[in-house]
Amino acid sequence: AQSVAQPEDQVKVAEGNPLTVKCTYSVSGNPYLFWYVQYPNRGLQFLLKYITGDNLVKGSYGFEAEFNKSQTSFHLKKPSALVSDSALYFCAVRHGSSNTGKLIFGQGTTLQVKP
Amino acid sequence: EAQVTQNPRYLITVTGKKLTVTCSQNMNHEYMSWYRQDPGLGLRQIYYSMNVEVTDKGDVPEGYKVSRKEKRNFPLILESPSPNQTSLYFCASSPARDIQYFGAGTRLSVL
Repeated sequence: AQSVAQPEDQVKVAEGNPLTVKCTYSVSGNPYLFWYVQYPNRGLQFLLKYITGDNLVKGSYGFEAEFNKSQTSFHLKKPSALVSDSALYFCAVRHGSSNTGKLIFGQGTTLQVKP
Repeated sequence: EAQVTQNPRYLITVTGKKLTVTCSQNMNHEYMSWYRQDPGLGLRQIYYSMNVEVTDKGDVPEGYKVSRKEKRNFPLILESPSPNQTSLYFCASSPARDIQYFGAGTRLSVL
């Protein structure tokens, strides 16, 4: 069965420091992996995705994520955090090779960036 | 402007009173989904649709119905709402199995 785990409910970093939000997944076959961000009282917005190719993917707002097949991880990173990055972040996985619309989300990680 | 529109944004109702939350997208996307968001549980998929007249259950379909009679619309129906369906609901659309575009959400309270 497909699953996604975000092991940290909350991540706190100081502005200007690097940040990492962790995600591990379980899916048979090739995964389609996504990161979304949710600001207060808003819907989710797409940040980046991994479908195939280069393991390091770059996305919106300076975020990037590294796909690690052996560790089944897709951690979200940013070299220098901004206060405006404070939000709720979701990792999601879809089975790549099956014709299904099923998408599994992690439970979310709240990122707090302090000035 | 490309968007997914949900209505209403806020809804308070009573147990057992049928309700419908509408969702419409203007991007000609094949895929549409409904999710509920609950604290500590993230987003859980209720139902999804891969095209007109093609729908399938997600992880938490009990107590919900959907229909996809037109490509742009994907309403969520609660025939007999119960308090455990109090939640924040999101509709999303996507081209095939790619990026999802989310609506602004519907906050539902069932008393």
